[in-house]
Amino acid sequence: TQLLKQSPQFLSIQEGENLTVYCNSSSVFSSLQWYRQEPGEGPVLLVTVVTGGEVKKLKRLTFQFGDARKDSSLHITAAQPGDTGLYLCAGGRRGGSNYKLTFGKGTLLTVNP
Amino acid sequence: DVKVTQSSRYLVKRTGEKVFLECVQDMDHENMFWYRQDPGLGLRLIYFSYDVKMKEKGDIPEGYSVSREKKERFSLILESASTNQTSMYLCGAIRRTEAFFGQGTRLTVV
Repeated sequence: TQLLKQSPQFLSIQEGENLTVYCNSSSVFSSLQWYRQEPGEGPVLLVTVVTGGEVKKLKRLTFQFGDARKDSSLHITAAQPGDTGLYLCAGGRRGGSNYKLTFGKGTLLTVNP
Repeated sequence: DVKVTQSSRYLVKRTGEKVFLECVQDMDHENMFWYRQDPGLGLRLIYFSYDVKMKEKGDIPEGYSVSREKKERFSLILESASTNQTSMYLCGAIRRTEAFFGQGTRLTVV
């Protein structure tokens, strides 16, 4: 069972286009993070959202947390080749003395010049 | 940000060898983890540690063990490497709710 489902799995677009990728779950999370991973490297944290309905912007990237804290979206405006990478979402829950993250399988984005 | 360093970027080992993967964080964080990442399967949690000498099995612990003798260091051990353990291994630490990863170790078992 896939706890966090990301869509689309693959996306190939031209430079300058806009795009949205999604992260959906049937479970409620106390926080949700988005990461970007480049080939051969570890994922790098982009943003954390914690409040239902929250919207955060990071330059051309806009992140939204659903009102029910079960889903999220990432919108990129005027994509550039440097945006190419694997975008991962992760939902967080506290369990006892530790904090657990559940990752989606990711959206592989290719932005062609 | 938390800096996490993995001891090797690339490793090639023979079937049956004992393999040690080392991970060091530069902050005083209790929670550390090891994932493996494979195409089509995403990140799968191998082990989690929430303090020194404390560990918890993840989703796929079989064939692996871990060691956490100091807070800053979390080691993953492959007791007898097999070809199905060829993968990208990612370690990291959690600060509050956020994960910080090392650069990854690409392990090939031949």
